[in-house]
Amino acid sequence: DAGVIQSPRHEVTEMGQEVTLRCKPISGHNSLFWYRQTMMRGLELLIYFNNNVPIDDSGMPEDRFSAKMPNASFSTLKIQPSEPRDSAVYFCASSYSSGASDEQYFGPGTRLTVT
Amino acid sequence: AQKVTQAQTEISVVEKEDVTLDCVYETRDTTYYLFWYKQPPSGELVFLIRRNSFDEQNEISGRYSWNFQKSTSSFNFTITASQVVDSAVYFCALSEAGSGGYNKLIFGAGTRLAVHP
Repeated sequence: DAGVIQSPRHEVTEMGQEVTLRCKPISGHNSLFWYRQTMMRGLELLIYFNNNVPIDDSGMPEDRFSAKMPNASFSTLKIQPSEPRDSAVYFCASSYSSGASDEQYFGPGTRLTVT
Repeated sequence: AQKVTQAQTEISVVEKEDVTLDCVYETRDTTYYLFWYKQPPSGELVFLIRRNSFDEQNEISGRYSWNFQKSTSSFNFTITASQVVDSAVYFCALSEAGSGGYNKLIFGAGTRLAVHP
């Protein structure tokens, strides 16, 4: 079975450029999460979708960040304009449902470097 | 407020040693779930185990075992006869049934385990 798929795996961009990260959740999962991982702050939840609808975006750092989920099999996280402090590993995760007991399955991550 | 503490930042052992990774949590909910994830050098987080707050039975899976004690708010993870392939960062996480209606995970800072041959 295919797991969560993320692309690209690595992205290097210059400050000010737009960056789009992509995620395909596990088929049949109705919950999708975007996380950011840095050495300083660890794993942070950015946004949570349920049935393609954004439910909790309280973790989105600022207006430069936006996320969409146009259908059950695709989500994007966009940063515009990017800044060096956005450099991190971004993970997408999905779960079968949104119950507190439901484990999340993570993708391989996108390592973003903004120079 | 909910919180997960992994006090051990890094642990270094020699192959075949047993090692225990500590996890202490804080929550006001009576119904909650605890998780362990493994992040190998390849970067992906791998789900290892889930435990609910009503089940304090220890669990064993091969060389892995988990000890859940509500009295001390701990959910410790032991690897028996460690191997080089166990080298990874291990995260403990908490999900509360009352956490805004979804499986929001609160992660600890992680423990980096290095197993040397």
